[in-house]
Amino acid sequence: GAGVSQSPSNKVTEKGKDVELRCDPISGHTALYWYRQSLGQGLEFLIYFQGNSAPDKSGLPSDRFSAERTGGSVSTLTIQRTQQEDSAVYLCASSPTGRGVGDTQYFGPGTRLTVL
Amino acid sequence: GNSVTQMEGPVTLSEEAFLTINCTYTATGYPSLFWYVQYPGEGLQLLLKATKADDKGSNKGFEATYRKETTSFHLEKGSVQVSDSAVYFCALSEASFGGYQKVTFGTGTKLQVIP
Repeated sequence: GAGVSQSPSNKVTEKGKDVELRCDPISGHTALYWYRQSLGQGLEFLIYFQGNSAPDKSGLPSDRFSAERTGGSVSTLTIQRTQQEDSAVYLCASSPTGRGVGDTQYFGPGTRLTVL
Repeated sequence: GNSVTQMEGPVTLSEEAFLTINCTYTATGYPSLFWYVQYPGEGLQLLLKATKADDKGSNKGFEATYRKETTSFHLEKGSVQVSDSAVYFCALSEASFGGYQKVTFGTGTKLQVIP
């Protein structure tokens, strides 16, 4: 189990409900990222963590979206009052330092969120 | 800001055909360049990377050369297989104002290889 893991792999929810998506990064990686991949679209950056702090939240689309990271490891992305346009695959990635030329991000398998 | 432009797909090729997927970029400094691959039902996997001009990244028969003069990083493979069917993403990373390597992705190119 050396890779990035995410849970659940699939989540179906009703409009207006809150959801939590979890990411377990590669052990020792200090940098963690969340992206959103909508059908037919590229990857949309959401948020970056360095350790437990989030120096870049610029990609969060609205105040319904929030994320935290605890112990410099596991991260949770929370979407409140979900809307149908939130339906997408949410990808998590981690990298060793987040800094330096060639620092490489490693991706999890994603969580497919469907809002009915 | 930074951007990555890659050819639109889908690209359909016969097995053993030559593959080229074009990628060009716009960046303010000296980015690192990457190709990621996403197989059906899976997450993105790093395919290859290059960190400076004229570097060639290679893996699994795929190659891409960092061309600063043309701001390009085209992906090539001499003989594709059915198992190469996937979506390919070109990406660049560059130090952001926050000091971390911010990655910008292209929209992806779907490749379908038929027997």
